Amino acid sequence: TQLLEQSPQFLSIQEGENLTVYCNSSSVFSSLQWYRQEPGEGPVLLVTVVTGGEVKKLKRLTFQFGDARKDSSLHITAAQPGDTGLYLCAGPVSGNTPLVFGKGTRLSVIA
Amino acid sequence: DAGITQSPRHKVTETGTPVTLRCHQTENHRYMYWYRQDPGHGLRLIHYSYGVKDTDKGEVSDGYSVSRSKTEDFLLTLESATSSQTSVYFCAIGREHGYTFGSGTRLTVV
Repeated sequence: TQLLEQSPQFLSIQEGENLTVYCNSSSVFSSLQWYRQEPGEGPVLLVTVVTGGEVKKLKRLTFQFGDARKDSSLHITAAQPGDTGLYLCAGPVSGNTPLVFGKGTRLSVIA
Repeated sequence: DAGITQSPRHKVTETGTPVTLRCHQTENHRYMYWYRQDPGHGLRLIHYSYGVKDTDKGEVSDGYSVSRSKTEDFLLTLESATSSQTSVYFCAIGREHGYTFGSGTRLTVV
């Protein structure tokens, strides 16, 4: 059973378009994180959201944590080829337990 | 950036041989983790450590053992490698609000 479901699995868009990817669960998480992974490298932390309803912005990326803390979304405005990569969401099942990861959304931005 | 290095970066080994992967950190972090990443499965936890000589199993621990004799080093051993252990292995440090990952070890068991 996958605790964190990410959608879509794959996304290919043109440069300049906007997009949203989703991370959903039937479980409540105390926090959720988003990572980006490029080929041949480990995931790199983008953001951590902690409070239900929280919105965080990182340049053209906007992250939102659902009010019930069961879901999160990542919105990219005016996507660029440099945004290409695998986007992963992750969270601790409870307390200080190790992170569980979703399977990721593979984004390709075409120039 | 946190200093975390994995070695080797690539390895090809034969079925039935023992293999040890090394993770070294310079951040003096208490918590360290080993994950494997496979197509269709994402990142899955193998083992983790919450201090020197303190380790626990993760979701996919069968066939793997770990050791942590020093804060900075966390070793992952495949006692007798099988083809199903062909994967990319990542080490990480951190707590519930964020991990820092190494660059990974691509292991092929033939």
